[in-house]
Amino acid sequence: DAKTTQPPSMDCAEGRAANLPCNHSTISGNEYVYWYRQIHSQGPQYIIHGLKNNETNEMASLIITEDRKSSTLILPHATLRDTAVYYCIVRVVNSGGSNYKLTFGKGTLLTVNP
Amino acid sequence: NAGVMQNPRHLVRRRGQEARLRCSPMKGHSHVYWYRQLPEEGLKFMVYLQKENIIDESGMPKERFSAEFPKEGPSILRIQQVVRGDSAAYFCASSPALPAGTYTGELFFGEGSRLTVL
Repeated sequence: DAKTTQPPSMDCAEGRAANLPCNHSTISGNEYVYWYRQIHSQGPQYIIHGLKNNETNEMASLIITEDRKSSTLILPHATLRDTAVYYCIVRVVNSGGSNYKLTFGKGTLLTVNP
Repeated sequence: NAGVMQNPRHLVRRRGQEARLRCSPMKGHSHVYWYRQLPEEGLKFMVYLQKENIIDESGMPKERFSAEFPKEGPSILRIQQVVRGDSAAYFCASSPALPAGTYTGELFFGEGSRLTVL
C-alpha cells in the first residue's frame, strides 16, 4: 500500500504556480520522496525527488518540511500540458530487493485551466 | 538514447487466447518492472526482474500470468487464456543497478501496451 496521502484533485489557472501537497507522516530516515506524473494514456514520467533538502530542476521544485512528514511539488508556471495525475511516492534508494520498486497511490489529478 | 520500448502498443485478443507483451529496457539497464493499469484505476506493481532472475513477483496474479527477462532479448509478460478482466494498459519500466554513476533511483517508463480482450 502507498505510504502517502494526496488530495484527489486540484485546479490551477494557466500561467500560475501549481502547488501539490503530499503527506508522508510515516516516512523513514532512509526513504526519499519521489514525484511522477502521468499524462492521459502515457507512461509515468519522473519529475523530481529529494531526501530532506529542497530540490529544483527544469520541471519543478520540491519543498520538504523539516520533519519530513510532508512535501509540496511546485510547478512554477503551469501550462495546459501539465494537466496530469501527479504521484508522490516514498522509497528507499540504496537498497535492493523488493524495496526497489515504486508503489503508486491514487495521486492528484491536476487540471490546468485556460 | 532510445527510451524503454514496448510492443505491441495495442493488442486485441479473444477470450482464451494468449497475449505476449515485450519490453526492451533502456541501454545499460538490467532491471525491469511491469505494472498494470486497469481502466480508470491506478498503476499496480506486478513484477520486478533482473536478467534471468525474478526478484519480486508479489503483484502477479497466481494463475495465467508469467514474466521473464532472459540473458539476451527483451523482457516478456505472458498472459495465458486471457479473460475480459485482463483488458488494461501494461507498463514496463527499467533502471540500472545500484551503484551506477549519477543514477539516483528513478525508474524510466515505456509508453505501455494496451490489451483489449474481446
